[in-house]
Amino acid sequence: DPKIIQKPKYLVAVTGSEKILICEQYLGHNAMYWYRQSAKKPLEFMFSYSYQKLMDNQTASSRFQPQSSKKNHLDLQITALKPDDSATYFCASSQGWGGPYEQYFGPGTRLTVL
Amino acid sequence: QQQVRQSPQSLTVWEGGTTVLTCSYEDSTFNYFPWYQQFPGEGPALLISILSVSDKKEDGRFTTFFNKREKKLSLHIIDSQPGDSATYFCAASGGEGADRLTFGKGTQLIIQP
Repeated sequence: DPKIIQKPKYLVAVTGSEKILICEQYLGHNAMYWYRQSAKKPLEFMFSYSYQKLMDNQTASSRFQPQSSKKNHLDLQITALKPDDSATYFCASSQGWGGPYEQYFGPGTRLTVL
Repeated sequence: QQQVRQSPQSLTVWEGGTTVLTCSYEDSTFNYFPWYQQFPGEGPALLISILSVSDKKEDGRFTTFFNKREKKLSLHIIDSQPGDSATYFCAASGGEGADRLTFGKGTQLIIQP
């Protein structure tokens, strides 16, 4: 059974719209993360959460908003979508925060913005 | 400025041979270095990791070496198999951004039967 679930697997959106990427982990971990992988850049850290609290934010744009309704959930809301946002977004989790802890990645959501 | 550099960008090795991937980094506060394996359409999978207090870690056919003085690390895969064909990423974290992994651009490995 998959331990980190990301939904949907593929997502197509139009410029200016808003989308929510879902992530749930069943590893019993206390920290969760978002990373982005695009054709132009290597895997890039976006956010980290520990016990539903934002710990680190390396995303310059406020259009990206993580949302944590439960300890094992960390969704990513993206507003006013731009073609440059097209990428695969990976959720990850680790046992703790304040490292180093091994981070385990989900299968990703591939977002295409037209 | 890219903080983690990987080489080569792509590599082809014959089945049964030894694969060597290398990585260098800039930030001297980095103290944790994981290697990830990624197959097309999947997320990165943790392969092996090493802390800066060690110089070698082995797990089956995979060994990672760390050289703190030169700020370099490497991943060796012995008896390479076609199933090892994937993209390999080294990453680093430490210092203020202790949980923030900084990734290299990856090495695309092909193992030829």
